[in-house]
Amino acid sequence: NAGVTQTPKFRVLKTGQSMTLLCAQDMNHEYMYWYRQDPGMGLRLIHYSVGEGTTAKGEVPDGYNVSRLKKQNFLLGLESAAPSQTSVYFCASSYVGGETQYFGPGTRLLVL
Amino acid sequence: GENVEQHPSTLSVQEGDSAVIKCTYSDSASNYFPWYKQELGKGPQLIIDIRSNVGEKKDQRIAVTLNKTAKHFSLHITETQPEDSAVYFCAASIRGYSTLTFGKGTMLLVSP
Repeated sequence: NAGVTQTPKFRVLKTGQSMTLLCAQDMNHEYMYWYRQDPGMGLRLIHYSVGEGTTAKGEVPDGYNVSRLKKQNFLLGLESAAPSQTSVYFCASSYVGGETQYFGPGTRLLVL
Repeated sequence: GENVEQHPSTLSVQEGDSAVIKCTYSDSASNYFPWYKQELGKGPQLIIDIRSNVGEKKDQRIAVTLNKTAKHFSLHITETQPEDSAVYFCAASIRGYSTLTFGKGTMLLVSP
């Protein structure tokens, strides 16, 4: 039981490049989330999903897109990376909304 | 929407001392209050949670108290150890309905 896994662990991008972050969970959770963590800012919700095929905006959605084609996977895309998107990205999942969330190990992204 | 304030932002204690972290929330409908511990380079991990039908919950050296009238809850760590050094996040939500709203975190440093 791997829990929540994230790929890749670390990535360096140049401004304007695109990339996709992959999150996978093996707990059969309905809800999945993407957060970014910046110094002094805590965890800010980017997008979330309440089930396969659904997505919703969180607190800071601009510049990101997401897809949930399979229940176990939640993808976060950056179409044109900007230095302001340099951050640590965490994926999480939960059985229902507003309940215990289980976090992945994070992806460190540096945009030059 | 919900707003969660967390204090202090940093806390330094000597090994063996107690540590207290406090959070306040704004939405009186919130009924689930988890606490997460984040060690350096890792994702947040749930350490204890409390639901609004109880006022206090303990698990070995950690305890959480909830005051619904004042809309605040606290994390208490007794007999602190160096391995307690981490960033701690509080959060609030309406179970089954909403996402978690996180505080900005408290960096706890326990000195030997």
